[in-house]
Amino acid sequence: SQKIEQNSEALNIQEGKTATLTCNYTNYSPAYLQWYRQDPGRGPVFLLLIRENEKEKRKERLKVTFDTTLKQSLFHITASQPADSATYLCALGYSSASKIIFGSGTRLSIRP
Amino acid sequence: KAGVTQTPRYLIKTRGQQVTLSCSPISGHRSVSWYQQTPGQGLQFLFEYFSETQRNKGNFPGRFSGRQFSNSRSEMNVSTLELGDSALYLCASKVRQGNAGELFFGEGSRLTVL
Repeated sequence: SQKIEQNSEALNIQEGKTATLTCNYTNYSPAYLQWYRQDPGRGPVFLLLIRENEKEKRKERLKVTFDTTLKQSLFHITASQPADSATYLCALGYSSASKIIFGSGTRLSIRP
Repeated sequence: KAGVTQTPRYLIKTRGQQVTLSCSPISGHRSVSWYQQTPGQGLQFLFEYFSETQRNKGNFPGRFSGRQFSNSRSEMNVSTLELGDSALYLCASKVRQGNAGELFFGEGSRLTVL
């Protein structure tokens, strides 16, 4: 079965630096990959979608890359702020009709 | 436009009981998915409904079931509750099944089994 690994349970970054989160998967490459943000006690909120034929996507301070050779996606937050502190989840979909499966998430803390 | 609404937000049950959770998707969204979230396992996919039919199913025992109504509202039921069923149950909707669109999550129903 597909396995999704997100880097380290927690990541601590100094404010203003770039935070880089990793999402690795095994077996078959997904048709698309999504990133979500989840705050304590809340449901996840969608951030970005990248498809298998795309290498990079950007949205304001966020950037996602997708390397099907390495079976990896990187999620970057530039000029990080304490308000960016949250858990970030990557999610994979294998076709437009398939279920979306999630990684366990990385808890990001941005210290002032 | 109202978001995804889940009820109840919190509930406490005892082992052996059953529970029904409700989810109202965003207006116009016809696909509803359910996930179980625990600290140890993360977000685990339960099932997805579209047009009142279950389209995808995760690896959960038959004690977990669901349904979708003609207005796209969905319910999930867990029978014969076990301590390990304690979790946050999240419902997510999207416009339709056949796209890679984002999931819109509700705030979840936190179930505690004693």
